[in-house]
Amino acid sequence: DAGVIQSPRHEVTEMGQEVTLRCKPISGHDYLFWYRQTMMRGLELLIYFNNNVPIDDSGMPEDRFSAKMPNASFSTLKIQPSEPRDSAVYFCASSSTGGRQPQHFGDGTRLSIL
Amino acid sequence: GNSVTQMEGPVTLSEEAFLTINCTYTATGYPSLFWYVQYPGEGLQLLLKATKADDKGSNKGFEATYRKETTSFHLEKGSVQVSDSAVYFCALSAGGGSTLGRLYFGRGTQLTVWP
Repeated sequence: DAGVIQSPRHEVTEMGQEVTLRCKPISGHDYLFWYRQTMMRGLELLIYFNNNVPIDDSGMPEDRFSAKMPNASFSTLKIQPSEPRDSAVYFCASSSTGGRQPQHFGDGTRLSIL
Repeated sequence: GNSVTQMEGPVTLSEEAFLTINCTYTATGYPSLFWYVQYPGEGLQLLLKATKADDKGSNKGFEATYRKETTSFHLEKGSVQVSDSAVYFCALSAGGGSTLGRLYFGRGTQLTVWP
């Protein structure tokens, strides 16, 4: 079975540009999570969805960040405008119903803002 | 609230040494506990889990026992290999109310094993 698929794997762009990260969760999973990982702050939960509805976006750092889940098989995380401090690895994860189910992670998008 | 505290790294061991990475937690209700592993350039992978007190999760020679009395879930391996070099994350799922589905992660512990 295919795992969580993220694209692109690497993104390098200039400050001020719009960045869109994409995620395809595992089929049948109804939870989707977006994380950010940096050396300084570790792994941070940005936002998560249940059945395509955002449940908790308290981790989104500021209004420049937005996330959508238009259907059960696709989600995007957008940064506009991007800043150098947004440079990080962004992970998407999905899980099936119930808090006791493990999350399955994608391989991440390494984002560099110049 | 819900939180996980794991030992600071990095941890450096010789091959075949015994490994312990400490993890303690604070949770409301009855959490499930997980260990994840992250190899360089990859996402986190589930290593093992335990869903109730006294359960022992095990995988690839790693073990961890859910200790409710000490609120701990320490990761152990009797003989580490170079290929075990990675970052290890302890996590909990409180599994109820507004936090249903969410995992709470520790900061991660970097393990390096030398031949």
